Amino acid sequence: SQTIHQWPATLVQPVGSPLSLECTVEGTSNPNLYWYRQAAGRGLQLLFYSVGIGQISSEVPQNLSASRPQDRQFILSSKKLLLSDSGFYLCAWALTGMNTEAFFGQGTRLTVV
Amino acid sequence: GDSVTQMEGPVTLSEEAFLTINCTYTATGYPSLFWYVQYPGEGLQLLLKATKADDKGSNKGFEATYRKETTSFHLEKGSVQVSDSAVYFCALMGSGGYQKVTFGTGTKLQVIP
Repeated sequence: SQTIHQWPATLVQPVGSPLSLECTVEGTSNPNLYWYRQAAGRGLQLLFYSVGIGQISSEVPQNLSASRPQDRQFILSSKKLLLSDSGFYLCAWALTGMNTEAFFGQGTRLTVV
Repeated sequence: GDSVTQMEGPVTLSEEAFLTINCTYTATGYPSLFWYVQYPGEGLQLLLKATKADDKGSNKGFEATYRKETTSFHLEKGSVQVSDSAVYFCALMGSGGYQKVTFGTGTKLQVIP
C-alpha cells in the first residue's frame, strides 16, 4: 500500500533562518506531488505541484521554493524565513492520469519567531 | 479557474442533530469532488468522494451527492456525534491537465454533548 511521510512534525525557526521540509511517498511510481499551506484560520493554499522529477510549478509568488530530486521525494525550502511563513504545511500525492483523490501527509507546524 | 465555495463556520450543533455543510463549485469539464476532514493537529483525511454526476459518496454516516445541474456537493449527516468535531473541507480535482486539487476554505464543526 502507499504511504506518505512528512517531517518534521513541528518546527520553530527564527526569522531569517533557512528552511527544509521533506516529504517522501512509498508504494507508487511517478506520482503528482503537492505542497499546501494552511495559515491560521484560513483554508488550504496550493504552493507548488510537480508532475515529475525536476518539474516544479509554482502557484503563488513567495519566499519559498520546491524541488523534486527523486521520483518520490518533494522538498520545500526557503533561504530566509519571514514571519508570514508561519503555518501548517501539508504534502500530498495523487496518481497521475486518473481523476482520483489526493492523499495527505500529517503536516508540519512551522512557527517563525 | 477552478474554485470551491463552502459555507462559513464555525458550526455548533448538539449531539444527534442533523448536519448540512453547503458546498458549490466552479470548474470546466467533469471534476471529481471530495470532502476531507481534519482533526485538530492532524493532516487531511479523505471522508468521501464522487467522480461523476449523480454519484453519492458516503462514509461513517456522512453523505454527499454530486449535483452537476446546481454545481453542488453538500455534506450531510443525520445524527452527529461529539467525535465528528473537526474542520471539513470541500474540494475538487479538475478533469484535465496536472490534476490540481482546489479546496474550499473549510468549515469548523463543533458538536456539544
